[in-house]
Amino acid sequence: GIQVEQSPPDLILQEGANSTLRCNFSDSVNNLQWFHQNPWGQLINLFYIPSGTKQNGRLSATTVATERYSLLYISSSQTTDSGVYFCAVAGNMLTFGGGTRLMVKP
Amino acid sequence: KAGVTQTPRYLIKTRGQQVTLSCSPISGHRSVSWYQQTPGQGLQFLFEYFSETQRNKGNFPGRFSGRQFSNSRSEMNVSTLELGDSALYLCASSRGDSYEQYFGPGTRLTVT
Repeated sequence: GIQVEQSPPDLILQEGANSTLRCNFSDSVNNLQWFHQNPWGQLINLFYIPSGTKQNGRLSATTVATERYSLLYISSSQTTDSGVYFCAVAGNMLTFGGGTRLMVKP
Repeated sequence: KAGVTQTPRYLIKTRGQQVTLSCSPISGHRSVSWYQQTPGQGLQFLFEYFSETQRNKGNFPGRFSGRQFSNSRSEMNVSTLELGDSALYLCASSRGDSYEQYFGPGTRLTVT
């Protein structure tokens, strides 16, 4: 099956810093989503981005489907950005990466 | 529009028992998928239902089963519970193939 790898696995930032999270996948996909898992476990939708670039406030994402990777940018990070970020690919059977655990320090 | 809802939110069961979890999708969504999240295995796909039919199934033993009703609500059942079944069970709904999936808050199951 398709393999999804996220990097880095852990990231510690000072408030106000910028960061880039990466998601590599092993095969062509028709669906790619980025999620933020909150402390209670719920997956919050950030982006649905099978290709191209999207922006939502301080967050933006780019997927280069032909090169099989996606990037999530977080600018001017805040402590509330802390948590685990997942990318997931494919159709109704989403395959998740291992996640990036982000900690933003005040 | 209301989001995906899951009940119960927390559950404690004993080894050997069985459990049923419920998921109500977003109105108009016909696809419901179930996922298991554990610290060791991460997020893994269990199965997906569309119009009351199981369309996809992950690599889980037959103790894990599910069904979908005509109103798109779905249930999953785990029989003969094992300690390793302790996990967060997440349900997601979507309009169908290649559409964005939306997740519920999850059911945290503890097996003692």
